Amino acid sequence: DAGITQSPRHKVTETGTPVTLRCHQTENHRYMYWYRQDPGHGLRLIHYSYGVKDTDKGEVSDGYSVSRSKTEDFLLTLESATSSQTSVYFCAITTGDTYTYNEQFFGPGTRLTVL
Amino acid sequence: EDQVTQSPEALRLQEGESSSLNCSYTVSGLRGLFWYRQDPGKGPEFLFTLYSAGEEKEKERLKATLTKKESFLHITAPKPEDSATYLCAVQKDSSYKLIFGSGTRLLVRP
Repeated sequence: DAGITQSPRHKVTETGTPVTLRCHQTENHRYMYWYRQDPGHGLRLIHYSYGVKDTDKGEVSDGYSVSRSKTEDFLLTLESATSSQTSVYFCAITTGDTYTYNEQFFGPGTRLTVL
Repeated sequence: EDQVTQSPEALRLQEGESSSLNCSYTVSGLRGLFWYRQDPGKGPEFLFTLYSAGEEKEKERLKATLTKKESFLHITAPKPEDSATYLCAVQKDSSYKLIFGSGTRLLVRP
């Protein structure tokens, strides 16, 4: 258990509504990641963070923004949710101080449905 | 293009029937290959990291091996509790990113 919690665990929202998902870790790890998981696509990286206020885009970042104002929290925001963003969202951390060998540990996930 | 392909997509085994899952990859410069187990409704659970061709790792009934182009996850005498989706991911040199395959869904029947 890497001490990762995600909230909410389930959410149903309507198209055009802003949504924020929270990832919280208890062990002050530097690197945090947001993924989405969809059938047939596996896990795809949305955004990642390498420190407080240090974030960068992954392969499917369009329509998403992130913020990290504290080491322990990494927020994912959908500014205006669309049905294509219906997915399961996972947060992950790396326990090392560098990404040299990037063993990632995942949270329990948030299932988001956009109607 | 960097790619990770897992096969088969789904596998049904009888309890005790050993088999292997495949993960083939095309990346320029492999730093590490990772195996995860994912149960329904849960996040992926880390199993192994393999760093170089010829390396092997074992955990209970699972053994992972690595060549220059693919990795195998061997399951010996599986039990129903081994039923899960198994994910493979690779990390390239000079990158923090993991590239995931789509997974193999394993069902072990008693």
